[in-house]
Amino acid sequence: AQKVTQAQTEISVVEKEDVTLDCVYETRDTTYYLFWYKQPPSGELVFLIRRNSFDEQNEISGRYSWNFQKSTSSFNFTITASQVVDSAVYFCALRKGGSQGNLIFGKGTKLSVKP
Amino acid sequence: GAVVSQHPSRVICKSGTSVKIECRSLDFQATTMFWYRQFPKQSLMLMATSNEGSKATYEQGVEKDKFLINHASLTLSTLTVTSAHPEDSSFYICSAREDSGSTWSASNQPQHFGDGTRLSIL
Repeated sequence: AQKVTQAQTEISVVEKEDVTLDCVYETRDTTYYLFWYKQPPSGELVFLIRRNSFDEQNEISGRYSWNFQKSTSSFNFTITASQVVDSAVYFCALRKGGSQGNLIFGKGTKLSVKP
Repeated sequence: GAVVSQHPSRVICKSGTSVKIECRSLDFQATTMFWYRQFPKQSLMLMATSNEGSKATYEQGVEKDKFLINHASLTLSTLTVTSAHPEDSSFYICSAREDSGSTWSASNQPQHFGDGTRLSIL
């Protein structure tokens, strides 16, 4: 069975703090894809990153960075120097390789960044 | 970038009304689209996979006759909530996956989400 676990339900930080959102996944597939999405209060999903199972390189994009560790089945997301605009619910998702491949979402982590 | 248009963004209607939600890929073709449902403060749960030209595949526990899906073209899928009741109130969001040149590479294609539809049944 495939599963995504985001153990942190809510996190509250003060602006400029660094924060890491955890994501642990379960899958028996050798080919799969991992995603992070941001969902602001308005509801739309904002795509942040996709990583395939063969690429364990960490990635940095501005204040965002991702740490993919296959050995621990984790795909953690760090925001450096957080800002109030980062306040949102963040979802980690897993997609199976193959022609169909719907997304399986974690329960999300609500991040509140206070000024 | 690829855009998925979902319409309407918000619906408020009386119990017993049927509501149709459209999901349209604007600048790409999508044989496969997905419909998700999200209750307040919860995650997105897949309701069904919509395939152009064939019947949708519903997830366990989702009533086919209640949530009618029609994927009539490569750019449009519709979800109709029939005879909606208050318990159907939720946030519905669609996604569309870009078609690729082959099935083999289909899995590598990105999914693009619509902005969602907030459905409130009174």
